[in-house]
Amino acid sequence: KAGVTQTPRYLIKTRGQQVTLSCSPISGHRSVSWYQQTPGQGLQFLFEYFSETQRNKGNFPGRFSGRQFSNSRSEMNVSTLELGDSALYLCASSLRQGRETQYFGPGTRLLVL
Amino acid sequence: DQQVKQNSPSLSVQEGRISILNCDYTNSMFDYFLWYKKYPAEGPTFLISISSIKDKNEDGRFTVFLNKSAKHLSLHIVPSQPGDSAVYFCAAVTGNTPLVFGKGTRLSVIA
Repeated sequence: KAGVTQTPRYLIKTRGQQVTLSCSPISGHRSVSWYQQTPGQGLQFLFEYFSETQRNKGNFPGRFSGRQFSNSRSEMNVSTLELGDSALYLCASSLRQGRETQYFGPGTRLLVL
Repeated sequence: DQQVKQNSPSLSVQEGRISILNCDYTNSMFDYFLWYKKYPAEGPTFLISISSIKDKNEDGRFTVFLNKSAKHLSLHIVPSQPGDSAVYFCAAVTGNTPLVFGKGTRLSVIA
């Protein structure tokens, strides 16, 4: 069974631009979560989607948004990029919400110049 | 307020010895705990989990212990191998809330 895939793997943008990242979950998984990882900060939760609905949201500004499609694929969008948005963005999928093991993709490394 | 804490940012262990990684949590509602391993520039890889109804779970070289009264869990790796060198994250969850991760412990296994 294929794992979680994320595209693109690397991205360079400039301040003020916007970016869209894509995540394809493991087949059959309906929950997709997004995390931001910066040095020394661990994994900061962004949001979780289940059945095309955002179920949980982390403490990030409204510039960060996402959506989930009927095939469970998910996208996250960051508008008006800031230098501090440079990070590894990780997507994880699980069968359901809650007490489920999440399986992570390789991440998208975003560099904002 | 950090609900999941990994107080040791780093740990060095000799090859063949036991590695013990610790994690403390503050939310007594957490009822499912997981450990992930992460190499640089890769996503975290699931290692092992434990439900709050158990106090121990074993998978090969990896054993997780849960002490609910102390709100503490630990991951034991025996024997440690150089390929185990990575950052280890513990995570906890309750209900349909998101996973809460600690900040990680960098394990270095020295040959």
